[in-house]
Amino acid sequence: KNQVEQSPQSLIILEGKNCTLQCNYTVSPFSNLRWYKQDTGRGPVSLTIMTFSENTKSNGRYTATLDADTKQSSLHITASQLSDSASYICVVSAINSGYALNFGKGTSLLVTP
Amino acid sequence: KAGVTQTPRYLIKTRGQQVTLSCSPISGHRSVSWYQQTPGQGLQFLFEYFSETQRNKGNFPGRFSGRQFSNSRSEMNVSTLELGDSALYLCASEDGGTKTQYFGPGTRLLVL
Repeated sequence: KNQVEQSPQSLIILEGKNCTLQCNYTVSPFSNLRWYKQDTGRGPVSLTIMTFSENTKSNGRYTATLDADTKQSSLHITASQLSDSASYICVVSAINSGYALNFGKGTSLLVTP
Repeated sequence: KAGVTQTPRYLIKTRGQQVTLSCSPISGHRSVSWYQQTPGQGLQFLFEYFSETQRNKGNFPGRFSGRQFSNSRSEMNVSTLELGDSALYLCASEDGGTKTQYFGPGTRLLVL
């Protein structure tokens, strides 16, 4: 069964600190992995999309890594800001599954002053 | 360009009723996907439409259906509502070039 597991479930950090969120998956055959940020009460916003051949992709202070061999991805947030407080969702799709996406439950991040 | 819009934003229904939700994608986007989000299950894929054809479908009962019109606007219908259908329903349209999905703000449905 295709699964996506995210850790930690929740995280609290001080403003200005860095943090790393984890995503492990069993989806096969792998097509791509996406990270989304979802603010409370709003729709998710795409941060990065990575295919099998990509192992790092950045979007401003967000850097995603992918190890397709171990089926692990991480999202690193640098110099966190209060506006980074949100839920971060890892989504993995399999080849030929179109948009039958496999979603993680998300990591809830709180950045405090 | 205007973003993805969804109407209505909030909806209250009672068990047994049916509901229709609407989604207008970003201009030029031909793929529209629908998702259900609940605190317990997280985000779950409902179905995806491309050029008026359902291209993919998630594991939801037949009470959940959808369609897409020639202008790419999409509707989702849920018949015989159950309490468990209370959720945030999100739609997303895709940029065919970058494969980036853009989500709307969602419709929050409460079934009493």
